[in-house]
Amino acid sequence: AQKVTQAQTEISVVEKEDVTLDCVYETRDTTYYLFWYKQPPSGELVFLIRRNSFDEQNEISGRYSWNFQKSTSSFNFTITASQVVDSAVYFCALLGGGTSYGKLTFGQGTILTVHP
Amino acid sequence: ETGVTQTPRHLVMGMTNKKSLKCEQHLGHNAMYWYKQSAKKPLELMFVYNFKEQTENNSVPSRFSPECPNSSHLFLHLHTLQPEDSALYLCASSPRGYEQYFGPGTRLTVT
Repeated sequence: AQKVTQAQTEISVVEKEDVTLDCVYETRDTTYYLFWYKQPPSGELVFLIRRNSFDEQNEISGRYSWNFQKSTSSFNFTITASQVVDSAVYFCALLGGGTSYGKLTFGQGTILTVHP
Repeated sequence: ETGVTQTPRHLVMGMTNKKSLKCEQHLGHNAMYWYKQSAKKPLELMFVYNFKEQTENNSVPSRFSPECPNSSHLFLHLHTLQPEDSALYLCASSPRGYEQYFGPGTRLTVT
């Protein structure tokens, strides 16, 4: 069985603070994919990043960075110098290998509120 | 990419009504999905279609009936729903099972 845990239900920060959203996953697959999605108040889930299990390079995209550590089964997401527009629900998700048309397992989501 | 559209965006229906949700993707993807998102619950996968064939039914009650006439369109037919079915229904599509691209959702209220 696959499982994704986002331990932080809600995080509140003040603008310009850095914030890290934690994600821990469980899978028996040797090949798998990890994702982060953002869900703003409008409701639409916006794809942010995909990471393959065999690629542990960290990635940075503007103010966003992701830290993938296979040894601890974690895929954490950091927002640097947060802004009010970053306020949203963030979901971490896992897609197991061996399935061509994926059944994504989502975490419970972390509600991020950035105050001005 | 924001090529997944859903209509209607909001729907209020009585328990005896029949209605349908529509999803359309303009991304050339082969797989389409229905998800249910209730307050304080994780996203629940309902159905998966690959090349128009249903490959996953996640123990969804029969009052929800999906239809996929082609790879670009997906419907969710609703009848005799219950108040607990009130939720945000999200459609998604993906190329070969990788990242899924979501539509804006239909906010359903069952009265």
